[in-house]
Amino acid sequence: AQSVAQPEDQVNVAEGNPLTVKCTYSVSGNPYLFWYVQYPNRGLQFLLKYITGDNLVKGSYGFEAEFNKSQTSFHLKKPSALVSDSALYFCAVRGAGNNRKLIWGLGTSLAVNP
Amino acid sequence: DAGVTQSPTHLIKTRGQHVTLRCSPISGHKSVSWYQQVLGQGPQFIFQYYEKEERGRGNFPDRFSARQFPNYSSELNVNALLLGDSALYLCASSLGGGSTDTQYFGPGTRLTVL
Repeated sequence: AQSVAQPEDQVNVAEGNPLTVKCTYSVSGNPYLFWYVQYPNRGLQFLLKYITGDNLVKGSYGFEAEFNKSQTSFHLKKPSALVSDSALYFCAVRGAGNNRKLIWGLGTSLAVNP
Repeated sequence: DAGVTQSPTHLIKTRGQHVTLRCSPISGHKSVSWYQQVLGQGPQFIFQYYEKEERGRGNFPDRFSARQFPNYSSELNVNALLLGDSALYLCASSLGGGSTDTQYFGPGTRLTVL
């Protein structure tokens, strides 16, 4: 069965420091991986996705994520955090083939302190 | 261009009632998916429609149904509401129904069942 784990409920970083939000997955076959961000009382905003090719994927707002097949991970990163990055971050995975369900992690709350 | 729109924004119903939620996809997008997000959890997949046909269904009871119209807008219907149906209902649209397609989310409908 497909699954996604976000091992940290909350991540705290100081403004200007690098941030990492972790995600590991389990899926049969090649994974399609996504990161979304959710601000309070708003819907989910797409950040980036990995389908194939380069393991380092660049996305919106300066975020990037590294796909690591051997560790089945897809960690979200940003070199320099902003206070405005504070939000809830979700990792999601979809397997190849006819299974079209996006499976979501429980989310990680990121707090960037000024 | 307008993003995904959902109506209503908020809704309060009582147990046993019926509710209809509406979604208009991004112009040109032919696939709509519905998700339920309970506070503190990631979205749970309910349905996906593509070209007016159901392409996927999550683990939800038959009280939940949906349809997609010729203009690609969609409705989610929930009958015999239970307290546990209280959640944020998210609609997402994508260009096609494929596994690699990015889903773009609307702001959601907050349903409260009393």
